[in-house]
Amino acid sequence: TQLLEQSPQFLSIQEGENLTVYCNSSSVFSSLQWYRQEPGEGPALLVTVVTGGEVKKLKRLTFQFGDARKDSSLHITAAQPGDTGLYLCAGAMNRDDKIIFGKGTRLHILP
Amino acid sequence: GAGVSQSPRYKVAKRGQDVALRCDPISGHVSLFWYQQALGQGPEFLTYFQNEAQLDKSGLPSDRFFAERPEGSVSTLKIQRTQQEDSAVYLCASSWGGVTDTQYFGPGTRLTVL
Repeated sequence: TQLLEQSPQFLSIQEGENLTVYCNSSSVFSSLQWYRQEPGEGPALLVTVVTGGEVKKLKRLTFQFGDARKDSSLHITAAQPGDTGLYLCAGAMNRDDKIIFGKGTRLHILP
Repeated sequence: GAGVSQSPRYKVAKRGQDVALRCDPISGHVSLFWYQQALGQGPEFLTYFQNEAQLDKSGLPSDRFFAERPEGSVSTLKIQRTQQEDSAVYLCASSWGGVTDTQYFGPGTRLTVL
């Protein structure tokens, strides 16, 4: 059983479109992180959210942590080919716990 | 560069061979983590060091897997008697502090066991 479920698994859209990917769990997390991983590289941290209901923006990316701290979403506005990659969510259930990763959403932006 | 480096980047082993994977963390980083990433999956935690102390090895799949960080900097992940199911990318990450601090990942070592 996967503790963090990410959806969709794969997403291929045209440049300029908007998209949202999701990270869901039945468990409460003290913090959630989003990473982007490109082929041949390790994951690179995009953001950490720690407060229920928190919204963080990183240029065209908007991250939201659910009120109950069980889920998170990543919204990309006006997607660009450079956004292509594997988006991973990861969480720690308690403050000093190791982080657990979801399987990721593989995003492909077509020029 | 000043990032996390891993070597070799690619390793092909015959089933039953032993392999050693090396991780050079960012200089001064206290914590070091090893993860296993199978094809199409997210990284899965293997083990964690704070300086030279191995604080958590709960993710190591079997006693064929062994990790060390004897001087609190470079770490080696050793896999004995490799099996086909060990084929994966092995990622190393380091952080300034403990598990909750930002982890910086290396590019990984892709291990293929034939």
